[in-house]
Amino acid sequence: QKEVEQDPGPLSVPEGAIVSLNCTYSNSAFQYFMWYRQYSRKGPELLMYTYSSGNKEDGRFTAQVDKSSKYISLFIRDSQPSDSATYLCAMRSSDDKIIFGKGTRLHILP
Amino acid sequence: DTGVSQDPRHKITKRGQNVTFRCDPISEHNRLYWYRQTLGQGPEFLTYFQNEAQLEKSRLLSDRFSAERPKGSFSTLEIQRTEQGDSAMYLCASSLAQGAFNRFFGPGTRLTVL
Repeated sequence: QKEVEQDPGPLSVPEGAIVSLNCTYSNSAFQYFMWYRQYSRKGPELLMYTYSSGNKEDGRFTAQVDKSSKYISLFIRDSQPSDSATYLCAMRSSDDKIIFGKGTRLHILP
Repeated sequence: DTGVSQDPRHKITKRGQNVTFRCDPISEHNRLYWYRQTLGQGPEFLTYFQNEAQLEKSRLLSDRFSAERPKGSFSTLEIQRTEQGDSAMYLCASSLAQGAFNRFFGPGTRLTVL
């Protein structure tokens, strides 16, 4: 079992829909949970991070962590064509190692 | 532009040749990381520097790979005797040690080995 599992997609949704992206993980030592967005031919950029279980909201984006289930989610409300990108979940353990998921390719259809 | 820069953006080489990539981090960041990303995968850690000291190397970093960060500023990643399996995007990232979970990535160097 890989440490971080993420469905690669692609996921296609119509503009304005709510998008749900998910990752599961196996290592209980992970402390920080992050979502990176990567546009084509660009490096990843940090979108959101959370430290503990619960929700964190930033504009149209909500990150959710359930440590008991080892499951994290990213929700995008009112999705826009500009949200089309690959979304990578990433997790950091106490020894500063960051493990990335494979990334989910998201297409928002106008 | 004050972000992380990488050069070249693309490199095509023949198998067996040596290649060198350069990364210029954000100026006040003392940590610099190299990652490799293949199609359909997330970035995989290769190595990182704290200032000029190389503190960790992944087992992915074979003997053909070497990285340097002279004077704790820019970094170079060299691959000797390239193989087709080395074809990938090589990403550089930098961070402040205190906020090390937030790594700022450059645009990457895409290597194609023919």
